[in-house]
Formats: sequence, structure tokens, C-alpha cells
Amino acid sequence: GAGVSQSPSNKVTEKGKDVELRCDPISGHTALYWYRQSLGQGLEFLIYFQGNSAPDKSGLPSDRFSAERTGGSVSTLTIQRTQQEDSAVYLCASSLSALERFFGPGTRLTVL
Amino acid sequence: DAKTTQPNSMESNEEEPVHLPCNHSTISGTDYIHWYRQLPSQGPEYVIHGLTSNVNNRMASLAIAEDRKSSTLILHRATLRDAAVYYCILSNTDKLIFGTGTRLQVFP
Repeated sequence: GAGVSQSPSNKVTEKGKDVELRCDPISGHTALYWYRQSLGQGLEFLIYFQGNSAPDKSGLPSDRFSAERTGGSVSTLTIQRTQQEDSAVYLCASSLSALERFFGPGTRLTVL
Repeated sequence: DAKTTQPNSMESNEEEPVHLPCNHSTISGTDYIHWYRQLPSQGPEYVIHGLTSNVNNRMASLAIAEDRKSSTLILHRATLRDAAVYYCILSNTDKLIFGTGTRLQVFP
């Protein structure tokens, strides 16, 4: 069956521009998670959704970052006024239970 | 979330068993032990999880110490495809916090 998909797979943008990253979870999965991974680093938790609500936004690095989820399905992570330190791979995961998460392939963001 | 300690790296030869250790001395009674792995240039992949009893699945086995302060992920016969970073994570919530993991190298 279809796994978690993310788009775009690669995004190059100029400093100061806004970007939107999309995540399509596995159908029926109620929970959705966003992480980011800078080059050579571990995964950094950003935010997670249970349905359309986000009980934990504690990982968002600044108020330039926001995320939403509509219809209990697709989620969009928006980064406003991008900075070079935002360059990373942004990973999305979904799950039906808290015990097994399925990750997407990620979006590689490069801010010039 | 309670902290875990893993070796930075380990090596194995192909077709040999691999035992990846994880220490978690501050584990709480409700913490699950999760293992994920990340192959090069891919997102993490679920491997196995457990609470108190040893667990087996098609990918690996998880051996949990009786006091739950440590656990070991066992790959019964390593293949080149098993070369990855392996993460041991404790959680009793929806939030998984990844550490730096163990980088496993597998030699032919």
C-alpha cells in the first residue's frame, strides 16, 4: 500500500522567502509528526497532530514556523522568511498508534 | 522522556549476529522501548518495540533486562542492507525524541 509521501522532494529557496512543505500520511492514520534533520545530525522533533489538533508545538524553533492539518489528513509545514539555518531535511511520519510510526522520504530544503 | 545511552558506532561482518546495546537506567514503569533505524539518505524505519518482555519480529529481536535498565537489539544475521544508524528511544507519550544512535557498519 501507499506509504507516507512528502512534496516537494527537494526545495531550493532564497533567504527571506516563505516555503510550504506538504505531507500526505497513510490513509486512516490519526497521528502525524514533523521532524527535521540537519546535515549529519539527529532528528529534531517539531510538532505532532492528533487528528487536526496539535497538542504539542513545543519543538517549533521559532514563530516563523507553523503547521496545520486539515480533514485529519494532509499537513502543511510553513516556514516564513527562511534563514540559512533552516536548511535541513524535513521528515514527516504518521501512525495509527503511538507504537509504530511510518516515515516519509523527507523534503530536502536548501536556503541560499 | 528518559535518556538512553548507545555506543556511537559498531562493526559487524555479513551473516554474523549483531547485538546493539542500549542503556536506560532512568526508565519509568510506563516507558516503552522503541528501536528505529535510518538507512543512508532515507527516513527512519520502525524496527521493534517492547515494554517488559522480550520481543521477536521478522526484522529483529529485542532483549530487555529484567530490571529494564538496559536492552539489546539483536540482528540475527547481518546483511549489507542492515548498515544504518540504529536509534533506541524511550517514550510513554506520542512524542519520540531521537538521540544520536549507533552507526552500524557491515562488512562483506
